[in-house]
Amino acid sequence: GAGVSQSPSNKVTEKGKDVELRCDPISGHTALYWYRQRLGQGLEFLIYFQGNSAPDKSGLPSDRFSAERTGESVSTLTIQRTQQEDSAVYLCASSISGGETQYFGPGTRLLVL
Amino acid sequence: AQSVTQLDSQVPVFEEAPVELRCNYSSSVSVYLFWYVQYPNQGLQLLLKYLSGSTLVKGINGFEAEFNKSQTSFHLRKPSVHISDTAEYFCAALNTGGFKTIFGAGTRLFVKA
Repeated sequence: GAGVSQSPSNKVTEKGKDVELRCDPISGHTALYWYRQRLGQGLEFLIYFQGNSAPDKSGLPSDRFSAERTGESVSTLTIQRTQQEDSAVYLCASSISGGETQYFGPGTRLLVL
Repeated sequence: AQSVTQLDSQVPVFEEAPVELRCNYSSSVSVYLFWYVQYPNQGLQLLLKYLSGSTLVKGINGFEAEFNKSQTSFHLRKPSVHISDTAEYFCAALNTGGFKTIFGAGTRLFVKA
């Protein structure tokens, strides 16, 4: 079946604007993760969903960041009032029931000017 | 897992030479361990994983890794690399029963002809 997809693949925005990033997980995967990967750095955990609920939001860097998931499927990560330090690749991953192997999307490359 | 350390940020190696990418983790509980690979302009994909049992784990593309509990290490090895192995490699750890995977900063493997 199809893998994890993310859109847009690239996003350039001006400082202060809001952006919305989308993730479509593999069908049937109840767990969904968002990560941030800054240039030359590892993956930074942002948030985890089990179904539609988010038991762990501890990785969200500030209250400008929020995420939601509907219908145990699509998730959106919203960044309000973007700052230049938000520039990064945002990766989404899903897994069958949480833990173990995660399947990653290709990422959204965000550039804040 | 509390942290994952990849000791080498970059590893240049000649084609057909052996390679070892080092990974150490810290955790107060038992863990699952993973290596993911990210080819240029692609998403992360699972290379191999250790859940339990034999400490020597074989993965795709001829890679293998050995779990060493006493040294809290999970080094990745390949006896003979190819140009196509050029990629970024990420080590990751997950507490058994948990959901938050901790990733290392990554090691960029560059295979030269």
